[in-house]
Amino acid sequence: GNSVTQMEGPVTLSEEAFLTINCTYTATGYPSLFWYVQYPGEGLQLLLKATKADDKGSNKGFEATYRKETTSFHLEKGSVQVSDSAVYFCALGSGYSTLTFGKGTMLLVSP
Amino acid sequence: GAVVSQHPSRVICKSGTSVKIECRSLDFQATTMFWYRQFPKQSLMLMATSNEGSKATYEQGVEKDKFLINHASLTLSTLTVTSAHPEDSSFYICSAARPSGGSYNEQFFGPGTRLTVL
Repeated sequence: GNSVTQMEGPVTLSEEAFLTINCTYTATGYPSLFWYVQYPGEGLQLLLKATKADDKGSNKGFEATYRKETTSFHLEKGSVQVSDSAVYFCALGSGYSTLTFGKGTMLLVSP
Repeated sequence: GAVVSQHPSRVICKSGTSVKIECRSLDFQATTMFWYRQFPKQSLMLMATSNEGSKATYEQGVEKDKFLINHASLTLSTLTVTSAHPEDSSFYICSAARPSGGSYNEQFFGPGTRLTVL
């Protein structure tokens, strides 16, 4: 079956540091890949997505590239801000509309 | 576009009572709606998938008689937690799937409902 593995947190960084959150997946077929962000007490917001191999999703300075050869979709940001503190979920979309989530990675950014 | 709302955002109830949570897609008709449960510091657990006019499909381990799902229209799904107990306290999140032009219908998430059972 499908599965998503992402690095455990929390990831603690200082403001303006470089961020990488690793995400790998196993899937049959050609899934779509997503990163969602959840701020405290709120629901999930789509951060970025990629629907096919080699696609790069980007939004708000965050980027992730769909790597089929390494089955990865790592999230990166060149310079994090305190306001980026949240939980980040990597997810795989397959079939009609099913999503398989990773366990989430908490990011804490200090001033 | 693709806004999903949930109501209420927060509810506190006494043990033994029932609580209804509404999920609405505000600007699109949802082919499918999903209900998730999230425990503190944990990922989302899919509870059930519902399609308008048909019975919901529950995930293994989810009691369908306790978590009643009604999908009355293409824009409204409700989750009723019946005879709630403290262990049902959790954060419940719904999502709605919308055709996106390809074979995969993307999910759009509501803001969540915090249920506390005393």
